[in-house]
Amino acid sequence: QKEVEQDPGPLSVPEGAIVSLNCTYSNSAFQYFMWYRQYSRKGPELLMYTYSSGNKEDGRFTAQVDKSSKYISLFIRDSQPSDSATYLCAFRLNTGNQFYFGTGTSLTVIP
Amino acid sequence: KAGVTQTPRYLIKTRGQQVTLSCSPISGHRSVSWYQQTPGQGLQFLFEYFSETQRNKGNFPGRFSGRQFSNSRSEMNVSTLELGDSALYLCASSLGGATGEHFGPGTRLTVL
Repeated sequence: QKEVEQDPGPLSVPEGAIVSLNCTYSNSAFQYFMWYRQYSRKGPELLMYTYSSGNKEDGRFTAQVDKSSKYISLFIRDSQPSDSATYLCAFRLNTGNQFYFGTGTSLTVIP
Repeated sequence: KAGVTQTPRYLIKTRGQQVTLSCSPISGHRSVSWYQQTPGQGLQFLFEYFSETQRNKGNFPGRFSGRQFSNSRSEMNVSTLELGDSALYLCASSLGGATGEHFGPGTRLTVL
């Protein structure tokens, strides 16, 4: 079983829609949870970083962590064409360990 | 603050050659990680250096090696290149504590 599972998509939504991106993980010891956005031919960009279960909001983005279900989500409200990118989830055991990445979900927001 | 920089941005090599990639982290960041990204495998962790010491290592053969200098700049070396080494190589830096990583633009390596 892979440590991190992420649906690769592609996901296509109309502008203004609410987008839900999800990852599941198998290692219950993961303590840090992240979401990255990667535009074509660019490096990933850190969007959200959270430590605990629950929700964290930043503008149009909300990260949700459910440790009991080993499931994290990223919600994008009022999606824009500029949100079209690949979204990667990432996890970390503790501050001295490596990061584990999902394979990414490709999102296209249609004007 | 300037972001993570990587040089060169593009590289073409032939099988059997070796290559060295360079990464300059964000000022003040002591941790530098290297990743290989391919369409089929996604982001695969190579290794992480913290204060000039390799702290974590992924499951790559010994042909892949790295080092970090006292100014936190890092280099990655791949010897005896194979066709399958063609990929985007990404460097990421962080403070080393409870923070996420910040990625550079990557070096796109093509092995012919």
